[in-house]
Amino acid sequence: DQQVKQNSPSLSVQEGRISILNCDYTNSMFDYFLWYKKYPAEGPTFLISISSIKDKNEDGRFTVFLNKSAKHLSLHIVPSQPGDSAVYFCAASRTDSWGKLQFGAGTQVVVTP
Amino acid sequence: KAGVTQTPRYLIKTRGQQVTLSCSPISGHRSVSWYQQTPGQGLQFLFEYFSETQRNKGNFPGRFSGRQFSNSRSEMNVSTLELGDSALYLCASSSTGKANNEQFFGPGTRLTVL
Repeated sequence: DQQVKQNSPSLSVQEGRISILNCDYTNSMFDYFLWYKKYPAEGPTFLISISSIKDKNEDGRFTVFLNKSAKHLSLHIVPSQPGDSAVYFCAASRTDSWGKLQFGAGTQVVVTP
Repeated sequence: KAGVTQTPRYLIKTRGQQVTLSCSPISGHRSVSWYQQTPGQGLQFLFEYFSETQRNKGNFPGRFSGRQFSNSRSEMNVSTLELGDSALYLCASSSTGKANNEQFFGPGTRLTVL
């Protein structure tokens, strides 16, 4: 049962524009959400996270928005750069579940010149 | 600070064999989680260890096991390998394993079962 869903398998965006990645979840017990970026032949790299008690968190070019009522979060990357081309994973965790992240299927982002 | 390291990076085995993968966490991190990544199932949680104790386990058969040593290094073992065990195995470390502790991943071990 896929509790974290990324319904867009791919996204193409022009350099300098905004990339918006979406993620939906079904389990209301999740209380922490994370975004990871993954290049081929490497492990996922942590990007940004947000607690369920917040609705927005910013870190440089990356902003994550959380809408708890809709069970939806999004990652905004502004401006997009060629080095942002990678697979982005949304992940969620629960306080009562040690060390377990539940991942979405990922979104392949391609930033074009 | 050195990142999470995993050895070996690549491994080829045949059906029925067993395999052991190793993970060294970031210095000071006591929680190690293991994940399996396949094209069909994505990233799936295997188990988590903290202070040599397994605290959490995913939905994998008993052929998948692990352990953690007193220096927080961890190993996972897969016995009686099946073709479907071919995957990228990732380990991740965090300081406590709590939900609000970011996990930092190693580069993974690519296991191919023939």
